[in-house]
Amino acid sequence: AQTVTQSQPEMSVQEAETVTLSCTYDTSESNYYLFWYKQPPSRQMILVIRQEAYKQQNATENRFSVNFQKAAKSFSLKISDSQLGDTAMYFCASHTSGTYKYIFGTGTRLKVLA
Amino acid sequence: NAGVTQTPKFQVLKTGQSMTLQCAQDMNHEYMSWYRQDPGMGLRLIHYSVGAGITDQGEVPNGYNVSRSTTEDFPLRLLSAAPSQTSVYFCASSLRTGSNQPQHFGDGTRLSIL
Repeated sequence: AQTVTQSQPEMSVQEAETVTLSCTYDTSESNYYLFWYKQPPSRQMILVIRQEAYKQQNATENRFSVNFQKAAKSFSLKISDSQLGDTAMYFCASHTSGTYKYIFGTGTRLKVLA
Repeated sequence: NAGVTQTPKFQVLKTGQSMTLQCAQDMNHEYMSWYRQDPGMGLRLIHYSVGAGITDQGEVPNGYNVSRSTTEDFPLRLLSAAPSQTSVYFCASSLRTGSNQPQHFGDGTRLSIL
């Protein structure tokens, strides 16, 4: 079965500091894709970053980067220079071509403190 | 530039009533899906479709029906609403499955069953 686990229900970080959100996944597929989405209080779901499992290089998007550890099935999100606008719920998700499904974790609520 | 459009945004139903949540996308996306979001449970997949005329069950399909007669539309039907179906519902689409294409989400429907 395809599963995604986020073990940190809530986190907080001071503005301008760095924070890392954890995500582990499980799949029997060899071809899969991983995503982080952000959901601010507006309820919109916004793509933050994505990673192809076949790529060894960690993805980066401006202040957002991932630490993809394929053997450990870990896909953590690092936010550098945290900003008040980063306050949101963050969801980790996996997608496999074999099952056609996108599976989401339970989310981590991040609060950036001024 | 509409993207994924969900209607209605809010709805209150009585137990036993039926209704249809509408979802339309104008991006010619192959893949469409429905999720429900409940506190502490993340997004759970209800049903998905990999193309017109093809639908399949997700993690929590009971009490819901879908159909995909066109590429653009993917309505979700509640046959006999129950209080346990009180939730926020999201429709999402992506260009194709089995790729790094992320899902594009609608703004969600907050549904309350009394």
